[in-house]
Amino acid sequence: GAGVSQTPSNKVTEKGKYVELRCDPISGHTALYWYRQSLGQGPEFLIYFQGTGAADDSGLPNDRFFAVRPEGSVSTLKIQRTERGDSAVYLCASSPGWDRYTDTQYFGPGTRLTVL
Amino acid sequence: TQLLEQSPQFLSIQEGENLTVYCNSSSVFSSLQWYRQEPGEGPVLLVTVVTGGEVKKLKRLTFQFGDARKDSSLHITAAQPGDTGLYLCAGLSNNAGNMLTFGGGTRLMVKP
Repeated sequence: GAGVSQTPSNKVTEKGKYVELRCDPISGHTALYWYRQSLGQGPEFLIYFQGTGAADDSGLPNDRFFAVRPEGSVSTLKIQRTERGDSAVYLCASSPGWDRYTDTQYFGPGTRLTVL
Repeated sequence: TQLLEQSPQFLSIQEGENLTVYCNSSSVFSSLQWYRQEPGEGPVLLVTVVTGGEVKKLKRLTFQFGDARKDSSLHITAAQPGDTGLYLCAGLSNNAGNMLTFGGGTRLMVKP
């Protein structure tokens, strides 16, 4: 079956602009996660959805970052007033949502965001 | 803040050599996972270890979870060029919801 897909694959924007990054999880997966991976580092947790609600948004760096999942499937990560430090690969993952301790998270290919 | 430190950060070896990658933390994790990531792709899960002292083998890869569930190691026997990639450990904690805490990664290059 289809895996996690993310669009766009690359996004170049100017400082101060608004961007939206989209994630299509594996069909039927109720849990969805966003991570950010800076160059040469491991992924860093941003936010976790269970269904439509954000169960844990403790990783969002500031109020410029916001994510939604209105119908419990597709999610959009929104970044306002982008800064050069926001440049990174934004990864999305989904899991079945059966058991938080044993669920496998399946990652998408990521969106590479470059803020000029 | 829970941190996972991986070592070494970079490793370049010849085909056929053995290697070990380490993942250490001062925190206890309920489970620890190892991922491999190729350029332009997301991490792909290799294994999950749950019990302290647990050892899992995946062909030429051997994964071990420390007795105290604070550290783990990945040992590759007779490395091949196809093993080249970024290896990431990630911990899942009872106190941290469902988020994974990733280490900084070990970039492995196996030369033919």
